[in-house]
Amino acid sequence: DAGVIQSPRHEVTEMGQEVTLRCKPISGHDYLFWYRQTMMRGLELLIYFNNNVPIDDSGMPEDRFSAKMPNASFSTLKIQPSEPRDSAVYFCASSLISGAYEQYFGPGTRLTVT
Amino acid sequence: GESVGLHLPTLSVQEGDNSIINCAYSNSASDYFIWYKQESGKGPQFIIDIRSNMDKRQGQRVTVLLNKTVKHLSLQIAATQPGDSAVYFCAVYHTHNQAGTALIFGKGTTLSVSS
Repeated sequence: DAGVIQSPRHEVTEMGQEVTLRCKPISGHDYLFWYRQTMMRGLELLIYFNNNVPIDDSGMPEDRFSAKMPNASFSTLKIQPSEPRDSAVYFCASSLISGAYEQYFGPGTRLTVT
Repeated sequence: GESVGLHLPTLSVQEGDNSIINCAYSNSASDYFIWYKQESGKGPQFIIDIRSNMDKRQGQRVTVLLNKTVKHLSLQIAATQPGDSAVYFCAVYHTHNQAGTALIFGKGTTLSVSS
């Protein structure tokens, strides 16, 4: 298995632009998680899905952020409009079972908003 | 809610020494704990986990100890090698808001191994 796949690996964009991050979870995993990592705040859970349905989005910072999972093998995290404070590494992770089991992380997307 | 903290943000050791990384959590109802390793430019990678019905679990060169009385978790790495240099996170399983569950991550300890 190729593991969790994320694209792009790096994204540089100007403030105000729309940014779309993509994730392909491990086949057969029912749960998908989006995290954001910064030096100041560490690793923060943004949202997670179970069987393509969003379960908890309380970590999404504001309405500029949205996430979708149209099918079991694909999810997107969109920021519109982007701001410099959104600069971070965004990770996608998947797991067979929520919470009490191992999550497998992708390599991350490093986002820089200028 | 749950909070997870690490005792030291950085740890420097010599190659061959044993390393101990500590973690504290706040919710006594937490029942599953994981240690992750994150190398530069990569996502966190699972190292070892432990459930609350155990107080010790061993892997290859790693041991996790759980003290539920004081809500403390530690990761011990035997014969530390330069390849062990990374950021180590503890994560605690927590049910919150009755709407979902989540792994709460600590801030991370950077382990530096010198040869």
